[in-house]
Amino acid sequence: SQTIHQWPATLVQPVGSPLSLECTVEGTSNPNLYWYRQAAGRGLQLLFYSVGIGQISSEVPQNLSASRPQDRQFILSSKKLLLSDSGFYLCAWSVTAGAGYTFGSGTRLTIV
Amino acid sequence: GESVGLHLPTLSVQEGDNSIINCAYSNSASDYFIWYKQESGKGPQFIIDIRSNMDKRQGQRVTVLLNKTVKHLSLQIAATQPGDSAVYFCAENMAGTASKLTFGTGTRLQVTL
Repeated sequence: SQTIHQWPATLVQPVGSPLSLECTVEGTSNPNLYWYRQAAGRGLQLLFYSVGIGQISSEVPQNLSASRPQDRQFILSSKKLLLSDSGFYLCAWSVTAGAGYTFGSGTRLTIV
Repeated sequence: GESVGLHLPTLSVQEGDNSIINCAYSNSASDYFIWYKQESGKGPQFIIDIRSNMDKRQGQRVTVLLNKTVKHLSLQIAATQPGDSAVYFCAENMAGTASKLTFGTGTRLQVTL
C-alpha cells in the first residue's frame, strides 16, 4: 500500500535560519507531489507541485523553494526564514490527473 | 479559488442531526470534486469524491451532491457524531491541470451534545 511520510512534525526556527522539510512517498512510482501551506484557521495554499524528477512548478512568489532529487522525494527549503513563513506545511501526492490527493501528517513550523 | 486569508465559517449541529456543508466552486471546466476532512493538527483526509458526469454519490453516512448548473457542491453527513467535528474542505480539479486541486475556503463543523 502507498504511504506518505513527512518530517519533522514540529519545528521552531529563528528568523534568518535555513529550512529543509522532507517528504517521501512509498508504494508508488512517478507520483505527482505537492507542497501546501496552511495558516492558522485558514485554507490551503498551494506552494509547489512536481510531475517528475527535477520538475518543479511554483504557484506563488515567496521565500521558499522546492526540489525533487528522487522520484518519491520532495523537499521544501529556504535559505533565510521570515516570520511570515510560520504555518502548517503539508505534503501530498496523487497518482494521476483527475485523482484525489493523499496528504502527509504535516509539519507545524514556528518562526521566532 | 484559493482560500488563503479567509476566516473559516462555522456550522454548529446537534449530535444526531444531519449536517449539510456547502461549497461554491469556481471553474465550469472542473470535472472532479473531492471533500476532505481535517482534524486539528492533522493533514486533510479524503472523505468522498464525485465526477462531473454524476450529480449524486453516497458513502457511509455521507452523500455528495453536485449541481453543475450553479457550480455548487454539498456534503451531507447523516446522524452527525462528535467525531465528525473538524474542518471540511471541498476541492475541484480541472482536466489537464496536472492534477492540481483548488481548495475551497473550508467550513468548521462543531457538533454539540
